[in-house]
Amino acid sequence: AQRVTQPEKLLSVFKGAPVELKCNYSYSGSPELFWYVQYSRQRLQLLLRHISRESIKGFTADLNKGETSFHLKKPFAQEEDSAMYYCALSGPNQGGKLIFGQGTELSVKP
Amino acid sequence: DAGITQSPRHKVTETGTPVTLRCHQTENHRYMYWYRQDPGHGLRLIHYSYGVKDTDKGEVSDGYSVSRSKTEDFLLTLESATSSQTSVYFCAMGQGPYSGNTIYFGEGSWLTVV
Repeated sequence: AQRVTQPEKLLSVFKGAPVELKCNYSYSGSPELFWYVQYSRQRLQLLLRHISRESIKGFTADLNKGETSFHLKKPFAQEEDSAMYYCALSGPNQGGKLIFGQGTELSVKP
Repeated sequence: DAGITQSPRHKVTETGTPVTLRCHQTENHRYMYWYRQDPGHGLRLIHYSYGVKDTDKGEVSDGYSVSRSKTEDFLLTLESATSSQTSVYFCAMGQGPYSGNTIYFGEGSWLTVV
């Protein structure tokens, strides 16, 4: 079965520290992986897609098919990065559906 | 303007009453989705639509029905609301698996069932 796992409910770091939000997935075939971000009580916004291999707001994520992971990284956290982060998966046999992980709350302290 | 809106944004209702949430998009996207967001569960798909009158169940569809009579509108109905349906409901839209699968979310509807 297709599944996305985010093992950390809460990640707390200090400003300027590196950040890594973990995402592991289970999927038969070639997945499409995404990271979405949700600032306090706002709509979810797309942060990254693995196929575009771009860096948004200093965040990057690399798809590791061997480890079935898509961890989100940023070298120096900022207070404005505090938000809820969701990893999501789709693929050619998902019929357009996105499956989300449970989410990780990132708290960046001054 | 994100091109997708939900109404109502906040609603309190009593157990056993029917409730309908509306999602409206102006982007002519083929796919539309309803998710619910709960602490510890993340976002879970309730129902989705891949075209007018074409809908399918998600992982938590029990107690919910949907309708899509026009491309721009996707309605979610709780036939008889229960306290377990107290949640934040997000509508989303997208162009589907042949256009990158990116989906775009509405602002959410906070529903409380008392």
